[in-house]
Amino acid sequence: AQKITQTQPGMFVQEKEAVTLDCTYDTSDQSYGLFWYKQPSSGEMIFLIYQGSYDEQNATEGRYSLNFQKARKSANLVISASQLGDSAMYFCAMREADYQGGSEKLVFGKGTKLTVNP
Amino acid sequence: KAGVTQTPRYLIKTRGQQVTLSCSPISGHRSVSWYQQTPGQGLQFLFEYFSETQRNKGNFPGRFSGRQFSNSRSEMNVSTLELGDSALYLCASSLGGTATSTDTQYFGPGTRLTVL
Repeated sequence: AQKITQTQPGMFVQEKEAVTLDCTYDTSDQSYGLFWYKQPSSGEMIFLIYQGSYDEQNATEGRYSLNFQKARKSANLVISASQLGDSAMYFCAMREADYQGGSEKLVFGKGTKLTVNP
Repeated sequence: KAGVTQTPRYLIKTRGQQVTLSCSPISGHRSVSWYQQTPGQGLQFLFEYFSETQRNKGNFPGRFSGRQFSNSRSEMNVSTLELGDSALYLCASSLGGTATSTDTQYFGPGTRLTVL
């Protein structure tokens, strides 16, 4: 079974600076997908970025980029130019798929609480 | 395109009661998944529905059940509520079909259930 580890319970960053949130994963699958979600205090999980195991380039979406190191089994999220609105919980997740049945589910890490200071 | 909607947003129930939560997926999405989020256990998968069929189920007791309608809307039901069922229940929708490496789950705002 897949496992996601986020070792930073909390992180602090100054506004306008960059921050890296760590994520390591464990899987025996050759094909897999990794996701990052943001959860503000309101509760909604907001999809940020996706990285496929066969993607040769690191994924980028605006101020978000994913530092994907396959050999190290890490998929760290980099947020550039932090904003006050970036303060939230951030979850790394991996798709666990049943390719025969077609079903899939997300396995989540424990999350990192990011606080952006003015 | 409208996002995933969940109703109600907040619920307060007492032990022993039952509750039904509703989820409307993004238009065109046929797969609906449910997750429970608690401070102690984090985010845990409950079940996934596709074309009115439950395709996958997490490790939860039989008190937790769900269904999906022909319009892809889904409901989950918890019977005989316990204090430990207090949680944020999140619904996610995706295109579904075969398990692909590019399908993304989009979440609703969640229903916060408090059991007294």
